[in-house]
Amino acid sequence: NAGVTQTPKFQVLKTGQSMTLQCAQDMNHEYMSWYRQDPGMGLRLIHYSVGAGITDQGEVPNGYNVSRSTTEDFPLRLLSAAPSQTSVYFCASSSWTVKGYTFGSGTRLTVV
Amino acid sequence: GQQVMQIPQYQHVQEGEDFTTYCNSSTTLSNIQWYKQRPGGHPVFLIQLVKSGEVKKQKRLTFQFGEAKKNSSLHITATQTTDVGTYFCAGAGGSEKLVFGKGTKLTVNP
Repeated sequence: NAGVTQTPKFQVLKTGQSMTLQCAQDMNHEYMSWYRQDPGMGLRLIHYSVGAGITDQGEVPNGYNVSRSTTEDFPLRLLSAAPSQTSVYFCASSSWTVKGYTFGSGTRLTVV
Repeated sequence: GQQVMQIPQYQHVQEGEDFTTYCNSSTTLSNIQWYKQRPGGHPVFLIQLVKSGEVKKQKRLTFQFGEAKKNSSLHITATQTTDVGTYFCAGAGGSEKLVFGKGTKLTVNP
């Protein structure tokens, strides 16, 4: 099993550009979420999903969209990138029957 | 909303010294989880505590969940250089949604 796969690993965007961060898991986990990690701020929840077709906002949802059309995939869309969105983004998944989250290796995004 | 505070933010120890990080939630938790993130890496799940007053051990690591299920601690005995990283607690309030503390960054001087 690959676990949680995030692509790309690194990305540089110009202000105003849009892009999609990809996240896929092959563990049949119901729950998926996106976090951003900034120095000294820990991990802050952006959006999450408890199953296909269901999404909800976390602590810092502004400027981001998500969809969950399949159990496996949970892409994160940046609509119009801003320098404040420079961060490391982690996707994570879990299951009601398995303890703990499995994290992807992260996407380091820089917006200039 | 639910908040999870974690202290200290940084801890530097000599190899062989003990280390403790503390976590406090603004609300009662259904469970608390602990993660370790090595420099440049991603968070890795260590353990989940569910019961009031629960204590669990993993080799040199001891995890405790408070009686009121609002606080927790992680204690490492006789730190090693392999313990370097940031330790996060994360609280669940009854759903799968986790709120993370800001983490404690541990450095170990050999």
